[in-house]
Amino acid sequence: GESVGLHLPTLSVQEGDNSIINCAYSNSASDYFIWYKQESGKGPQFIIDIRSNMDKRQGQRVTVLLNKTVKHLSLQIAATQPGDSAVYFCAEEYFGNEKLTFGTGTRLTIIP
Amino acid sequence: DAGVTQSPTHLIKTRGQHVTLRCSPISGHKSVSWYQQVLGQGPQFIFQYYEKEERGRGNFPDRFSARQFPNYSSELNVNALLLGDSALYLCASSLVAGSGEQYFGPGTRLTVT
Repeated sequence: GESVGLHLPTLSVQEGDNSIINCAYSNSASDYFIWYKQESGKGPQFIIDIRSNMDKRQGQRVTVLLNKTVKHLSLQIAATQPGDSAVYFCAEEYFGNEKLTFGTGTRLTIIP
Repeated sequence: DAGVTQSPTHLIKTRGQHVTLRCSPISGHKSVSWYQQVLGQGPQFIFQYYEKEERGRGNFPDRFSARQFPNYSSELNVNALLLGDSALYLCASSLVAGSGEQYFGPGTRLTVT
């Protein structure tokens, strides 16, 4: 079935460096994509979203890039901080249908 | 404003029992969705409710059921618990159905022994 997957299960980045987390999706009909951050023992926290009519969207220290040609999504975190250590999930959705399909997640570790 | 709240925080049940989990959405949000997150995996969609009606159901057995109340809070019920039901159960709310952005609660950690 359709699924959202991630290229790397773990990623370690030096504090202050930039990090890039990648995600591949398989459902070409998905038109809404979201990145969530999940810290241990907590629910997923919304980071940033992007609709399929956009290629790039920026937030505070985060940028999401969407490449529909190769069905690829990435999350860039600038100037990483220890508080950025968490598991990051990408998720996809058909707009109008609130069923989010999540990937398995990437664990980001910030090295002090 | 308070975020999505869920109760209880933790729960331990034995096989064959049933369980009821509760969720209160963000004030003003009318849509509630439930997800199951097994350790080490991403959340899996179970149900979505909007205006007290079921709007979507994931690939879960009939042992799982849910409902939404007039105040938009919601309950998830699981009957005849199995060991494999041990997971973090997450509730998410959004302003209206299909609005995209969903906000998650802290979850209920269910352990079935």
